[in-house]
Amino acid sequence: NAGVTQTPKFRVLKTGQSMTLLCAQDMNHEYMYWYRQDPGMGLRLIHYSVGEGTTAKGEVPDGYNVSRLKKQNFLLGLESAAPSQTSVYFCASSYGASSYNEQFFGPGTRLTVL
Amino acid sequence: AQSVAQPEDQVNVAEGNPLTVKCTYSVSGNPYLFWYVQYPNRGLQFLLKYITGDNLVKGSYGFEAEFNKSQTSFHLKKPSALVSDSALYFCAVRDSNRDDKIIFGKGTRLHILP
Repeated sequence: NAGVTQTPKFRVLKTGQSMTLLCAQDMNHEYMYWYRQDPGMGLRLIHYSVGEGTTAKGEVPDGYNVSRLKKQNFLLGLESAAPSQTSVYFCASSYGASSYNEQFFGPGTRLTVL
Repeated sequence: AQSVAQPEDQVNVAEGNPLTVKCTYSVSGNPYLFWYVQYPNRGLQFLLKYITGDNLVKGSYGFEAEFNKSQTSFHLKKPSALVSDSALYFCAVRDSNRDDKIIFGKGTRLHILP
């Protein structure tokens, strides 16, 4: 099993450009999440999904959109990138709806917006 | 509202000595508590969790954590530190009354000195 994979690994954008980050998991997990990690801020939840076709806002959703058209994929979109979106983005997934299931993380995408 | 605090940004421990990384939490329901570790340029990896039962939880790589309900704490411990334990450690909490979100602490950087 590959677990959770993310593409791309690195990306540099200019302000105003758009891009999509792809997350894929092969563990048949119901829940999927997008986080951003910034120095001294820990992980902050951007959006999450509790199942195929459903999405919900997290702690810092502004400037991002997501889609979960297939159970195994969770896409994060930036329509008009801003320098404040320079960060490392992590996707995660977890099994089932129980609060006590741990999350499995991808390797991250390092995004720089100039 | 649920929250988690890691009061130390950095902890330095000599190799072979015991280590403790502190975590306190606040939830309205029952807490589900997690520790994750992040090595450089990698995603987070699950170490251990407390759901219910025995207050002392054992996890990967020889780590353990003690749940203390009265002090609302979940400190991570290891009897004898290794240089390879040097990494960024995150405590996280889920509220049994909130099935959807997990809150991460800001992280504690652990340095094991040879």
